[in-house]
Amino acid sequence: GQQLNQSPQSMFIQEGEDVSMNCTSSSIFNTWLWYKQDPGEGPVLLIALYKAGELTSNGRLTAQFGITRKDSFLNISASIPSDVGIYFCAGLRGGATNKLIFGTGTLLAVQP
Amino acid sequence: NAGVTQTPKFRILKIGQSMTLQCAQDMNHNYMYWYRQDPGMGLKLIYYSVGAGITDKGEVPNGYNVSRSTTEDFPLRLELAAPSQTSVYFCASSPHQITGELFFGEGSRLTVL
Repeated sequence: GQQLNQSPQSMFIQEGEDVSMNCTSSSIFNTWLWYKQDPGEGPVLLIALYKAGELTSNGRLTAQFGITRKDSFLNISASIPSDVGIYFCAGLRGGATNKLIFGTGTLLAVQP
Repeated sequence: NAGVTQTPKFRILKIGQSMTLQCAQDMNHNYMYWYRQDPGMGLKLIYYSVGAGITDKGEVPNGYNVSRSTTEDFPLRLELAAPSQTSVYFCASSPHQITGELFFGEGSRLTVL
Protein backbone atom coordinates (compact mmCIF):
# COMPACT_ATOMS: atom_id res chain seq x y z
CA GLY A 1 0.00 0.00 0.00
CA GLN A 2 0.87 3.66 -0.04
CA GLN A 3 3.80 4.54 2.16
CA LEU A 4 5.45 7.72 3.25
CA ASN A 5 9.22 7.53 3.59
CA GLN A 6 10.68 9.42 6.51
CA SER A 7 14.31 10.22 7.09
CA PRO A 8 16.34 9.91 9.08
CA GLN A 9 15.05 6.81 10.89
CA SER A 10 16.70 7.99 14.10
CA MET A 11 18.69 10.90 15.45
CA PHE A 12 20.84 11.21 18.57
CA ILE A 13 21.67 14.83 19.32
CA GLN A 14 22.87 17.12 22.09
CA GLU A 15 20.54 19.51 23.85
CA GLY A 16 20.51 22.85 22.08
CA GLU A 17 21.09 21.48 18.58
CA ASP A 18 18.68 22.05 15.71
CA VAL A 19 16.95 19.09 14.10
CA SER A 20 15.68 18.53 10.57
CA MET A 21 13.64 15.64 9.25
CA ASN A 22 11.65 15.04 6.10
CA CYS A 23 8.97 12.92 4.55
CA THR A 24 8.61 11.98 0.89
CA SER A 25 6.07 10.22 -1.25
CA SER A 26 5.66 9.12 -4.84
CA SER A 27 2.10 10.50 -4.78
CA ILE A 28 0.65 13.96 -4.32
CA PHE A 29 -1.01 14.85 -1.00
CA ASN A 30 -3.47 17.66 -0.27
CA THR A 31 -2.65 17.86 3.43
CA TRP A 32 0.52 17.14 5.37
CA LEU A 33 0.62 16.72 9.14
CA TRP A 34 3.28 16.11 11.75
CA TYR A 35 2.59 14.12 14.91
CA LYS A 36 4.76 13.42 17.95
CA GLN A 37 4.58 10.28 20.05
CA ASP A 38 5.99 10.44 23.57
CA PRO A 39 7.18 7.12 25.04
CA GLY A 40 4.20 5.01 26.12
CA GLU A 41 1.64 7.44 24.71
CA GLY A 42 -0.43 7.89 21.58
CA PRO A 43 0.62 10.38 18.88
CA VAL A 44 -0.35 14.03 19.28
CA LEU A 45 -0.76 16.49 16.43
CA LEU A 46 1.98 19.15 16.22
CA ILE A 47 1.40 20.97 12.95
CA ALA A 48 -1.02 20.70 10.02
CA LEU A 49 -0.28 22.08 6.53
CA TYR A 50 -3.03 22.57 3.96
CA LYS A 51 -1.43 24.41 1.05
CA ALA A 52 1.59 23.71 -1.16
CA GLY A 53 4.50 25.94 -0.15
CA GLU A 54 2.95 26.70 3.24
CA LEU A 55 5.38 27.31 6.11
CA THR A 56 3.90 27.02 9.61
CA SER A 57 5.44 27.34 13.05
CA ASN A 58 4.42 26.07 16.46
CA GLY A 59 6.88 27.38 19.04
CA ARG A 60 10.31 25.94 18.22
CA LEU A 61 8.83 23.73 15.52
CA THR A 62 8.54 24.77 11.87
CA ALA A 63 7.08 22.64 9.12
CA GLN A 64 6.78 23.14 5.38
CA PHE A 65 4.46 21.71 2.75
CA GLY A 66 6.66 20.99 -0.28
CA ILE A 67 5.94 22.78 -3.55
CA THR A 68 5.64 19.49 -5.44
CA ARG A 69 3.06 18.32 -2.83
CA LYS A 70 5.08 15.10 -2.55
CA ASP A 71 7.12 16.05 0.48
CA SER A 72 7.17 17.85 3.80
CA PHE A 73 9.84 18.98 6.25
CA LEU A 74 9.96 19.49 10.01
CA ASN A 75 12.58 21.52 11.84
CA ILE A 76 13.05 21.76 15.59
CA SER A 77 15.26 24.56 16.85
CA ALA A 78 17.28 24.55 20.08
CA SER A 79 16.24 21.03 21.10
CA ILE A 80 15.47 20.22 24.75
CA PRO A 81 15.22 16.85 26.53
CA SER A 82 11.40 16.79 26.34
CA ASP A 83 11.65 16.75 22.52
CA VAL A 84 12.50 13.05 22.84
CA GLY A 85 10.01 10.81 21.04
CA ILE A 86 8.97 9.52 17.66
CA TYR A 87 7.92 12.05 15.03
CA PHE A 88 5.51 10.90 12.35
CA CYS A 89 4.55 12.63 9.16
CA ALA A 90 1.09 11.89 7.79
CA GLY A 91 -0.71 12.77 4.60
CA LEU A 92 -4.20 13.06 3.22
CA ARG A 93 -4.89 12.76 -0.49
CA GLY A 94 -8.52 13.84 -0.37
CA GLY A 95 -11.34 12.20 -2.27
CA ALA A 96 -14.09 9.87 -1.15
CA THR A 97 -11.86 7.66 0.98
CA ASN A 98 -9.81 10.33 2.68
CA LYS A 99 -7.81 8.20 5.09
CA LEU A 100 -4.68 9.40 6.84
CA ILE A 101 -1.46 7.65 5.78
CA PHE A 102 1.44 7.67 8.24
CA GLY A 103 5.16 7.68 7.65
CA THR A 104 7.53 5.22 9.27
CA GLY A 105 8.65 7.65 11.97
CA THR A 106 11.85 9.38 13.11
CA LEU A 107 13.10 8.51 16.58
CA LEU A 108 14.69 11.52 18.29
CA ALA A 109 16.92 11.18 21.33
CA VAL A 110 18.26 14.32 23.04
CA GLN A 111 21.18 14.13 25.42
CA PRO A 112 21.22 16.82 28.12
CA ASN B 1 -10.58 15.42 30.12
CA ALA B 2 -10.99 11.73 29.24
CA GLY B 3 -10.72 12.05 25.43
CA VAL B 4 -10.10 8.59 23.93
CA THR B 5 -9.92 5.75 26.44
CA GLN B 6 -8.54 2.32 25.57
CA THR B 7 -8.68 -0.85 27.64
CA PRO B 8 -6.82 -2.99 28.45
CA LYS B 9 -3.39 -1.33 28.36
CA PHE B 10 -1.57 -4.66 28.30
CA ARG B 11 -2.64 -8.19 27.44
CA ILE B 12 -0.98 -11.51 26.74
CA LEU B 13 -2.91 -14.02 24.65
CA LYS B 14 -2.25 -17.58 23.65
CA ILE B 15 -2.41 -18.52 19.97
CA GLY B 16 -6.00 -19.20 18.96
CA GLN B 17 -7.61 -17.20 21.77
CA SER B 18 -9.89 -14.29 21.03
CA MET B 19 -10.37 -10.96 22.74
CA THR B 20 -11.84 -7.49 22.35
CA LEU B 21 -9.95 -4.23 22.68
CA GLN B 22 -12.26 -1.53 23.95
CA CYS B 23 -12.24 2.09 22.78
CA ALA B 24 -14.47 4.89 23.97
CA GLN B 25 -14.43 8.63 23.23
CA ASP B 26 -16.37 11.39 24.95
CA MET B 27 -15.86 14.15 22.36
CA ASN B 28 -18.89 13.26 20.22
CA HIS B 29 -16.65 12.61 17.22
CA ASN B 30 -18.19 10.85 14.24
CA TYR B 31 -14.95 9.39 12.89
CA MET B 32 -13.09 6.63 14.71
CA TYR B 33 -10.09 4.54 13.72
CA TRP B 34 -8.03 1.55 14.79
CA TYR B 35 -4.31 1.48 13.99
CA ARG B 36 -1.57 -0.96 14.79
CA GLN B 37 2.01 0.12 15.36
CA ASP B 38 4.90 -2.21 14.68
CA PRO B 39 8.54 -1.20 15.24
CA GLY B 40 9.92 0.81 12.31
CA MET B 41 6.67 0.48 10.36
CA GLY B 42 4.67 3.48 11.45
CA LEU B 43 0.93 3.23 11.95
CA LYS B 44 -1.20 0.97 9.77
CA LEU B 45 -4.97 1.46 9.57
CA ILE B 46 -6.96 -1.64 10.48
CA TYR B 47 -10.58 -0.44 10.39
CA TYR B 48 -12.38 2.85 10.54
CA SER B 49 -15.88 4.19 11.05
CA VAL B 50 -17.54 7.38 9.79
CA GLY B 51 -20.45 7.14 12.19
CA ALA B 52 -22.60 4.80 14.25
CA GLY B 53 -23.54 1.73 12.25
CA ILE B 54 -20.93 2.31 9.52
CA THR B 55 -17.53 0.62 9.39
CA ASP B 56 -15.01 -0.07 6.65
CA LYS B 57 -11.70 -1.84 6.15
CA GLY B 58 -8.35 -0.12 6.24
CA GLU B 59 -4.98 -1.38 5.01
CA VAL B 60 -4.60 -4.43 7.27
CA PRO B 61 -8.07 -5.74 8.30
CA ASN B 62 -7.43 -9.50 8.14
CA GLY B 63 -7.90 -11.23 11.48
CA TYR B 64 -9.89 -8.37 12.99
CA ASN B 65 -13.50 -7.26 13.26
CA VAL B 66 -15.15 -4.08 14.48
CA SER B 67 -18.58 -2.76 15.32
CA ARG B 68 -19.93 0.74 15.94
CA SER B 69 -23.30 0.57 17.66
CA THR B 70 -22.91 3.99 19.32
CA THR B 71 -21.03 7.20 18.55
CA GLU B 72 -18.90 6.71 21.67
CA ASP B 73 -17.68 3.12 21.33
CA PHE B 74 -15.59 1.36 18.69
CA PRO B 75 -14.40 -2.07 19.91
CA LEU B 76 -11.84 -4.12 17.96
CA ARG B 77 -12.18 -7.89 18.10
CA LEU B 78 -9.38 -10.34 17.43
CA GLU B 79 -10.54 -13.82 16.49
CA LEU B 80 -8.07 -16.73 16.64
CA ALA B 81 -5.08 -14.67 17.77
CA ALA B 82 -1.80 -15.25 15.91
CA PRO B 83 1.79 -14.19 16.75
CA SER B 84 1.65 -11.76 13.80
CA GLN B 85 -0.94 -9.78 15.75
CA THR B 86 1.58 -8.95 18.46
CA SER B 87 1.62 -5.17 18.28
CA VAL B 88 0.59 -1.93 19.93
CA TYR B 89 -2.95 -0.96 19.00
CA PHE B 90 -4.15 2.63 18.94
CA CYS B 91 -7.69 3.88 18.74
CA ALA B 92 -8.29 7.41 17.48
CA SER B 93 -11.19 9.73 16.83
CA SER B 94 -11.71 12.83 14.72
CA PRO B 95 -14.43 15.45 14.34
CA HIS B 96 -13.69 15.87 10.63
CA GLN B 97 -12.42 13.66 7.86
CA ILE B 98 -10.80 16.44 5.88
CA THR B 99 -8.39 17.98 8.40
CA GLY B 100 -6.36 14.93 9.40
CA GLU B 101 -6.45 15.87 13.07
CA LEU B 102 -6.78 12.67 15.03
CA PHE B 103 -7.03 12.29 18.81
CA PHE B 104 -5.35 9.09 19.95
CA GLY B 105 -5.77 6.90 22.99
CA GLU B 106 -2.78 5.74 25.01
CA GLY B 107 -2.57 2.39 23.24
CA SER B 108 -3.04 -1.28 24.07
CA ARG B 109 0.03 -3.52 23.97
CA LEU B 110 -0.89 -7.04 22.89
CA THR B 111 1.44 -10.04 22.91
CA VAL B 112 0.40 -13.35 21.34
CA LEU B 113 2.45 -16.36 22.43
